[in-house]
Amino acid sequence: DVKVTQSSRYLVKRTGEKVFLECVQDMDHENMFWYRQDPGLGLRLIYFSYDVKMKEKGDIPEGYSVSREKKERFSLILESASTNQTSMYLCAISRRPNTEAFFGQGTRLTVV
Amino acid sequence: GEDVEQSLFLSVREGDSSVINCTYTDSSSTYLYWYKQEPGAGLQLLTYIFSNMDMKQDQRLTVLLNKKDKHLSLRIADTQTGDSAIYFCAVMSGNTPLVFGKGTRLSVIA
Repeated sequence: DVKVTQSSRYLVKRTGEKVFLECVQDMDHENMFWYRQDPGLGLRLIYFSYDVKMKEKGDIPEGYSVSREKKERFSLILESASTNQTSMYLCAISRRPNTEAFFGQGTRLTVV
Repeated sequence: GEDVEQSLFLSVREGDSSVINCTYTDSSSTYLYWYKQEPGAGLQLLTYIFSNMDMKQDQRLTVLLNKKDKHLSLRIADTQTGDSAIYFCAVMSGNTPLVFGKGTRLSVIA
């Protein structure tokens, strides 16, 4: 079974805080992705990574950064959280960029 | 780039069939996927179809692909309350990450 683990199911942070969302996989897949999901907007790709220390911007990278120091771990960083970053964040992995993706359980982040 | 469209809502009665539709724009798309998201959870891969197929059946699920019209559908036979979820269509296009539709929320009425 594919296992993609996100560090928190629910998170509440204050405006201006630095927020780290962690994602860990046990499948040795090369590619890792961060999406945010909002009602009516579906999934929007924030950042993705094809390999350790590599990162690519997705469709909505503004206000976010990422870190991939080890193959199994991909972190999403909100440098200074804002209320419009309140959302469900989903991490996904895949063997290649354009093959089926496997998702973590999601982190529901609320910024107050 | 690729654009994937789905209707946002579908409501069916328990025991009926559900048909969730998806259209896409890139005719070179090779793999097309259906994902299911239950409340508060991540996305779960349900099934997929390769572009050289017209149909794929897996128990209660039937996927139909019309390449000419760039139309994909997911049929769920004998829909149950446990099928209530959001269903996402996703399309592989070139060497870029999967492109997802906005999701169709299926409500099953007992």
